[in-house]
Amino acid sequence: DQQVKQNSPSLSVQEGRISILNCDYTNSMFDYFLWYKKYPAEGPTFLISISSIKDKNEDGRFTVFLNKSAKHLSLHIVPSQPGDSAVYFCAASVYGDYKLSFGAGTTVTVRA
Amino acid sequence: GAVVSQHPSWVICKSGTSVKIECRSLDFQATTMFWYRQFPKQSLMLMATSNEGSKATYEQGVEKDKFLINHASLTLSTLTVTSAHPEDSSFYICSGSDRGTTKGQYFGPGTRLTVT
Repeated sequence: DQQVKQNSPSLSVQEGRISILNCDYTNSMFDYFLWYKKYPAEGPTFLISISSIKDKNEDGRFTVFLNKSAKHLSLHIVPSQPGDSAVYFCAASVYGDYKLSFGAGTTVTVRA
Repeated sequence: GAVVSQHPSWVICKSGTSVKIECRSLDFQATTMFWYRQFPKQSLMLMATSNEGSKATYEQGVEKDKFLINHASLTLSTLTVTSAHPEDSSFYICSGSDRGTTKGQYFGPGTRLTVT
């Protein structure tokens, strides 16, 4: 049973514009959420995280928003750059458990 | 910092043989290591969790006798795929956690296994 869902398998955006990636979860026990970026034939690399006590976390061009009541989070990338083209995975955990449940990923393509 | 390496990066083996994949944390002590499997265009599926010095905990549906995991030290875990079959062909990724990070896990670059 997929507890973390990324319903958009792909996203194409023009360079300089905003990329918005969405993620939904079903397990109300999740209280820590992470976004990872992955290039082909490489392992995921950490991008940004947010705990359930916050509704927003920002790091440079990347901002993650959390809506606990809707069990929804989103990742905003502004402005999008060609190097942002990759697969983005949403992951969730119960803080301290160290086990992550991953979404299926969203492939982002940034057009020049 | 927080680098995880995997070896080999790509391996081809014949059906029925066994293959071992190594996962090393290079600059931190991984008290817990995880093994994932990823099929094309799909999510990372957790196979097992291992803590140093103890037996691995396997996820439901993962055959522990087929996927042997050893976590002998704080910097090394191995996954052995025994009696490999073509359906075992996949991308295997390991990760480590040092329990002191808010970044979840540090992932290795993955190993592409092809069973002919």
